[in-house]
Amino acid sequence: DQQVKQNSPSLSVQEGRISILNCDYTNSMFDYFLWYKKYPAEGPTFLISISSIKDKNEDGRFTVFLNKSAKHLSLHIVPSQPGDSAVYFCAASLSGNTPLVFGKGTRLSVIA
Amino acid sequence: DAGVTQSPTHLIKTRGQQVTLRCSPKSGHDTVSWYQQALGQGPQFIFQYYEEEERQRGNFPDRFSGHQFPNYSSELNVNALLLGDSALYLCASSLVQGSSTGELFFGEGSRLTVL
Repeated sequence: DQQVKQNSPSLSVQEGRISILNCDYTNSMFDYFLWYKKYPAEGPTFLISISSIKDKNEDGRFTVFLNKSAKHLSLHIVPSQPGDSAVYFCAASLSGNTPLVFGKGTRLSVIA
Repeated sequence: DAGVTQSPTHLIKTRGQQVTLRCSPKSGHDTVSWYQQALGQGPQFIFQYYEEEERQRGNFPDRFSGHQFPNYSSELNVNALLLGDSALYLCASSLVQGSSTGELFFGEGSRLTVL
């Protein structure tokens, strides 16, 4: 049973517009959530994270929102750039050093 | 500052064979985790090594084993390969007492094809 779900396999966005990637989770004990970006032939790279005690974390063009009651988080990228085209993985953990549980990923294509 | 390095990058094996994958963690990191990423799936946790011992393990059979050396590098061994073992194997390093966010640093992966 998947504990972290990314229900959109792909997303296409125009350059300059907002990209919104969604993630749902089932385990209410998760207390850290992370987003990773993966380019072809490269390993995943950390993008941004959020603790369960917060509902928003912002880093430049990237903002993650957490809705604990809905067990839902989203990653907003504004403005989207062609270099943002990659697969984005949502991940969750029970604490700082427990294994990350990943979703299946969403492939974002930013069209110039 | 070298990041996480893995070898080999690609390899092809036949069913029943054994494979060893290698990983050197990011400089200063003492913990190595291994993940399997099958096609179209997210990475799945195999196990984690710290102080040369397996500390945590995911839902993988005993055919999957590992080792960590005194210099923190690690190996992943898979015995009696099955077609379903074909995947990208990712090594990730971290500090056991490090980031409270659980951030991992990943290598590029070793792509294993089992024929």
